[in-house]
Amino acid sequence: DVVLTQTPSILSATLGQSVSISCRSSQSLLDSDGNTYLYWFLQRPGQSPQRLIYLVSNLGSGVPNRFSGSGSGTDFTLKISGVEAEDLGLYYCMQATHAPFTFGSGTKLEIK
Amino acid sequence: EVQLVESGGGLVQPGTSLKFSCVAAGFTFSDYWMSWVRQTPGKTMEWIGDIKYDGSYTNYAPSLKNRFTISRDNAKTTLYLQMSNVRSEDTATYYCTTNYFDDWGQGVMVTVSS
Repeated sequence: DVVLTQTPSILSATLGQSVSISCRSSQSLLDSDGNTYLYWFLQRPGQSPQRLIYLVSNLGSGVPNRFSGSGSGTDFTLKISGVEAEDLGLYYCMQATHAPFTFGSGTKLEIK
Repeated sequence: EVQLVESGGGLVQPGTSLKFSCVAAGFTFSDYWMSWVRQTPGKTMEWIGDIKYDGSYTNYAPSLKNRFTISRDNAKTTLYLQMSNVRSEDTATYYCTTNYFDDWGQGVMVTVSS
């Protein structure tokens, strides 16, 4: 199975601060169809996961543009440019290039 | 508006079977691959498996393949997950989602305990 190593596990930020989360894969996530099926999700407390980013860098519907995704191959990053209070929660990366699909271990974003 | 509504959770004893349902609305259900994902109490996320839009093909996480079965009824716009011989480690919240992972159900909690 593909292992996604997500860091940091806990991130403490002040409002307005820019932060990044890393997701490293044990193998390339570039699919034979040319797509890289790397997603980012936010799970707010008590809620279901919400898709933020798909195919590495595409913003999900209704997602604020302070969220951005980048990377290729095995190294990926989610950046939040100016953290807002509603951004607190658990962030996960997930790959759907190789079955079984797998998730990172999560990053908890706390607001200072 | 897309809606995915799961049902069928609760407290169950080890070794028993359980079947969840996920009723879909607001999109053409029969056009989409669908997945089940679970989240443990420790917040670990695990993909269980998926099913092709016409129900003709399924994939499973290898560790779960022998005990879990995913099916669907497109006429009822309903996705199912059947679990057999449940264990304490199956205690989790179970979510259904499309294979674009853009819409998720509210989740259904299962506790396996004697």
